[in-house]
Amino acid sequence: DAGITQSPRYKITETGRQVTLMCHQTWSHSYMFWYRQDLGHGLRLIYYSAAADITDKGEVPDGYVVSRSKTENFPLTLESATRSQTSVYFCASILAPNEQFFGPGTRLTVL
Amino acid sequence: AQKVTQAQTEISVVEKEDVTLDCVYETRDTTYYLFWYKQPPSGELVFLIRRNSFDEQNEISGRYSWNFQKSTSSFNFTITASQVVDSAVYFCALSEVGGNKLTFGTGTQLKVEL
Repeated sequence: DAGITQSPRYKITETGRQVTLMCHQTWSHSYMFWYRQDLGHGLRLIYYSAAADITDKGEVPDGYVVSRSKTENFPLTLESATRSQTSVYFCASILAPNEQFFGPGTRLTVL
Repeated sequence: AQKVTQAQTEISVVEKEDVTLDCVYETRDTTYYLFWYKQPPSGELVFLIRRNSFDEQNEISGRYSWNFQKSTSSFNFTITASQVVDSAVYFCALSEVGGNKLTFGTGTQLKVEL
């Protein structure tokens, strides 16, 4: 089915470990985004990408790294996970002008 | 900087009541888009509406209606005759035209009870 898939859907890790969240789209949308959702903050943009090999910081990029070697994939890496990075992470791409379509989310717990 | 405020953290209503979710925004842009997304208990984000800043006409879609008032920087969402299935978190969001980054409000949790 066309759309956005995220993996894993649930992840528990420990402080200091490296974690990579995967995002894959079956379309060929240029723009892709990573958001984190926290109670009291809504969704906040971490990083986004306008095309393969083009990425830029959003509102809360510290502690995260992204890459985009292929248009369809946009992985998000937590280089050394901290408890404050416990959150729900959403990947999105542009479905129509300025309209973002979201993946199902990844629930990450850092112990 | 852009900002979206959803002052209502949680609203509880009884089924069949009408309910309005408030959204106030701040932007320096003269052209922009406003959005509403629904997040049901299952967790996914569902797009509801996009409104261009040039179009101040109210919109109705079934039991849903949206009131956009540029003069008060508000984009309120009304559910008529609410149903239990409307229980969800609703997010208002803003983006600049030509840009693609969304600025979200903190969301309003709507609980519709029998």
